[in-house]
Amino acid sequence: DAGITQSPRYKITETGRQVTLMCHQTWSHSYMFWYRQDLGHGLRLIYYSAAADITDKGEVPDGYVVSRSKTENFPLTLESATRSQTSVYFCASTRANTEAFFGQGTRLTVV
Amino acid sequence: TQLLEQSPQFLSIQEGENLTVYCNSSSVFSSLQWYRQEPGEGPVLLVTVVTGGEVKKLKRLTFQFGDARKDSSLHITAAQPGDTGLYLCAGEGDYKLSFGAGTTVTVRA
Repeated sequence: DAGITQSPRYKITETGRQVTLMCHQTWSHSYMFWYRQDLGHGLRLIYYSAAADITDKGEVPDGYVVSRSKTENFPLTLESATRSQTSVYFCASTRANTEAFFGQGTRLTVV
Repeated sequence: TQLLEQSPQFLSIQEGENLTVYCNSSSVFSSLQWYRQEPGEGPVLLVTVVTGGEVKKLKRLTFQFGDARKDSSLHITAAQPGDTGLYLCAGEGDYKLSFGAGTTVTVRA
């Protein structure tokens, strides 16, 4: 089906482990984003990408790494997970200056 | 630091009442978007306002964009339980969206 999908939907990991969250979109949108959502903070931008091989930091990038080798995929890696990275992560895609389409989110718990 | 401040943070009203949610910023945005999010789902766009002073209506929802393009409001008339959700405003600039913290609206039957 067309759309934007995230995997996994739920993940529990231990402190210090590397974790990768996947995001795939089928619209060939040029822009893709990763947000984290925490109570009281709304959605905060972690990283974004304007096109394949072009990525840039958002508001809260520390501890995260992204890559965009293909237009449709935008994985987010936590290099060494910490408890403060427990959150709900949303991936989004958009054409420039238009509606953002969000995935269903990944609920990550770091224990 | 949140670029966009939303108020109130929580709102609980009875079915049939009206409500207003505010979104304020010190920054000017190219456009401002309102999203609604239900539990376990990603946000879904309700409306985009672009022009200062613009008013858009979507059935019982009325959206206003301030003249200076720094603030916006969402007014719901005769709220229904189906309006329950988290309402988020987002300012667009440099192809990025900056979100407010959201207003959780609960409409009691």
